[in-house]
This record gives sequence, C-alpha cells and structure tokens, in this order.
Amino acid sequence: DSGVTQTPKHLITATGQRVTLRCSPRSGDLSVYWYQQSLDQGLQFLIQYYNGEERAKGNILERFSAQQFPDLHSELNLSSLELGDSALYFCASSPLAHGELFFGEGSRLTVL
Amino acid sequence: QQQVKQSPQSLIVQKGGISIINCAYENTAFDYFPWYQQFPGKGPALLIAIRPDVSEKKEGRFTISFNKSAKQFSLHIMDSQPGDSATYFCAASKGSGNTGKLIFGQGTTLQVKP
Repeated sequence: DSGVTQTPKHLITATGQRVTLRCSPRSGDLSVYWYQQSLDQGLQFLIQYYNGEERAKGNILERFSAQQFPDLHSELNLSSLELGDSALYFCASSPLAHGELFFGEGSRLTVL
Repeated sequence: QQQVKQSPQSLIVQKGGISIINCAYENTAFDYFPWYQQFPGKGPALLIAIRPDVSEKKEGRFTISFNKSAKQFSLHIMDSQPGDSATYFCAASKGSGNTGKLIFGQGTTLQVKP
C-alpha cells in the first residue's frame, strides 16, 4: 500500500458528461501528480501541484482541470467526455516538489 | 513524439534466468532515469533509478546499466522469480526539480515461468 488513496476506483459514464476524480496523497506529501494510462498512449503526465499551486503541466487537455486544496488532497475534473478519455487515471504524491513518486491504485474511467 | 523507446514489448523468462529490458531516449537533457514495476490492478512502484553520472547501479537482484553516449539504459533482473512477473516501465525526466514529470516508455510485460 503506497498510502495514496484514489476514489472512485471505477467509474462508468456517457459521452458529454463531467466527472471528478479525487486523490488523497500520503501523509505529509506536498506534491500531487496526475497521470493517464491508456493502451495506445501509455502512461502520460498530465499535471503537478505543489502545496496548492500548479507546478508543472504536461499533455492535459483543455477539457480537463485539476486543483489541490489546502488539506493537500487533489481533484481532477474531466468534462465533455469523449470515448477516447476512457483510461486509468493515476494520482501520485511525493514529499517535496520532486523526488520519488508514490502512485495510488488508479481510477478506471469508462466512457460509453 | 515518443521520447523514450522501450523493448521488448513482452518477455518470457525461466525461473532463475536473467531478464533484460532496454530503453533508448532522445533528449540529452534528461538526467533522471527510473524504472517502475506495475502489478495488475496496482499503480506503478519505483524499483530503482539512476542519474547519468554513473554507468551502473545495483539494488539486490535489480541492476540498471546506463550508456550516456548511446543514450540507452537497461534493467537487468538476475535470478528472475515468478513473483517478478509484472509490467516494467522505464522513464526519464529533466531537471533536478522535475523528477516527477516523467516521460514513460511503453512498458514490458515480463512473465517468469516456474
């Protein structure tokens, strides 16, 4: 158990809908990262927050947004969902703005 | 653009054998190269990592070999065990403050036969 908690574990929704994925980092970790894992694109970095502020951005679509709250948990919001957004979404955390990442078990999103 | 290329896509090894997974990168600015292990239904977990100032790093049965001039690095699993059966990802990042912004390879599914 990495100590990173993600909810929900599974989510099925329809095209055009909006969903929110939640992540609680390990106790004391200040950084939260979001990654997307799909069969065709592999593991892709989406975004990083450090102590509430956006620190780095990757291949995150404009339809997606994230935030980190004062209690350090993070949410990834996915809107106007398309079939191609079906994937595993991983959250990871690290103690500082860099260093070893600890991944959660992921949220599997299926868009029908 | 795929910046980290990983091979093979899948690998079958007998128990006790050596598993070798290779990665090649394009961006010479990369300066952190971790390997992650992922079991079904779980998130990736850091196995071992190396920086380009060393050519080899060993932790137990796992060794990273790094060739800076060839822009290649590899993972060797000695005395492979059935419990090592998993998907392995190499990755790279640039900048000491960006070790979490990783570019991953496509992954190698390893099966160790008893």
